[in-house]
Amino acid sequence: QKEVEQNSGPLSVPEGAIASLNCTYSDRGSQSFFWYRQYSGKSPELIMFIYSNGDKEDGRFTAQLNKASQYVSLLIRDSQPSDSATYLCAVNEWGSNYKLTFGKGTLLTVNP
Amino acid sequence: EAGVTQSPTHLIKTRGQQATLRCSPISGHTSVYWYQQALGLGLQFLLWYDEGEERNRGNFPPRFSGRQFPNYSSELNVNALELEDSALYLCASSPTGQGPLGWTNEKLFFGSGTQLSVL
Repeated sequence: QKEVEQNSGPLSVPEGAIASLNCTYSDRGSQSFFWYRQYSGKSPELIMFIYSNGDKEDGRFTAQLNKASQYVSLLIRDSQPSDSATYLCAVNEWGSNYKLTFGKGTLLTVNP
Repeated sequence: EAGVTQSPTHLIKTRGQQATLRCSPISGHTSVYWYQQALGLGLQFLLWYDEGEERNRGNFPPRFSGRQFPNYSSELNVNALELEDSALYLCASSPTGQGPLGWTNEKLFFGSGTQLSVL
């Protein structure tokens, strides 16, 4: 059984700080990694994806991947109250036979 | 461009009944996925349909079934409802194929969900 683990939180950070969200996965065959954001009462929305070891930056968001440690993280710089949401980590094996597995999510609260 | 639409928004059933949930994907998307999001359990993969065929299913009993129509819309049927089936059911769609950044079916666009309550 493939597992994706996230700290459920809540993670509370002040406005303007860096929020760091972490995710570990059990399947070494995993090849692609995703971060979805889910506002309360809304559906998940893809915000970042990463395939290679290292960092990938997109605006205030940076995804970090370490396949050797089976670890993926999301950094949010200059956190805003509008970033308050649940962040879901998702992991997939490479290929057409879809096997995307989601973590339970981390609730982030950014305090003004 | 219209997003993924799901109906109904809310559905209330009693134990033993059947529920039918509907999903229309984004225009041009051929793949439809169903997920169950129960309290405390996160998103659990149910089913994947592409080009009218069931391509993969998650760890759910056979009373969870569905189909995809020629226009790529999809239905999820849950038979013999149990109390623990109460959850938010999310449908997602994606185009299918391999682009420069990997398989496109990894990047999902979700609908707003159907909240199923089993009494």
